[in-house]
Amino acid sequence: GENVEQHPSTLSVQEGDSAVIKCTYSDSASNYFPWYKQELGKRPQLIIDIRSNVGEKKDQRIAVTLNKTAKHFSLHITETQPEDSAVYFCAALFSGGYNKLIFGAGTRLAVHP
Amino acid sequence: NAGVTQTPKFQVLKTGQSMTLQCAQDMNHEYMSWYRQDPGMGLRLIHYSVGAGITDQGEVPNGYNVSRSTTEDFPLRLLSAAPSQTSVYFCASRSANEKLFFGSGTQLSVL
Repeated sequence: GENVEQHPSTLSVQEGDSAVIKCTYSDSASNYFPWYKQELGKRPQLIIDIRSNVGEKKDQRIAVTLNKTAKHFSLHITETQPEDSAVYFCAALFSGGYNKLIFGAGTRLAVHP
Repeated sequence: NAGVTQTPKFQVLKTGQSMTLQCAQDMNHEYMSWYRQDPGMGLRLIHYSVGAGITDQGEVPNGYNVSRSTTEDFPLRLLSAAPSQTSVYFCASRSANEKLFFGSGTQLSVL
């Protein structure tokens, strides 16, 4: 079936450290992998995405890596800041029938000053 | 350009009541979807639509009904509310390059 697993469920780091969140997916047909950030009480917002034709993408302090053979992708945040504290969701686009975007269960990141 | 507009923001229902969550988008997106968000379970897809007149089930469709008569609107109907449907509901539309735009959410409590 179509499934995305995300780890860890919670992550606590000191300001300035790096944070890594990992996701695996169950269907090799996926070709689009976005990451969303949700601050408390707000809607999820897209922060970065990657397509299957590239292995890595960077945007300032955040980067995403993709390993299609192993069916996993990761979010890397460097030089973390307190405003990075939020819930992060990975997702994968499954192309069976109509395309569906399926989300992981989320990672609650806390960055301590 | 308002993006994705959801109403209401909050709703309390009694078990067995029915209601409709409204969702509208002004970006001319063909794809629209409904998710529910529960603690520790992420965003789970309820129903989605790839265009007017076309809908399909997601991961957790039971107890919900949808229709898509226009490109702009995609309402979600709870036919007979149950406590298990207490959740935060997000409507989202998707652009041609797959980016998802969320509404502000509806916090629903079923007593």
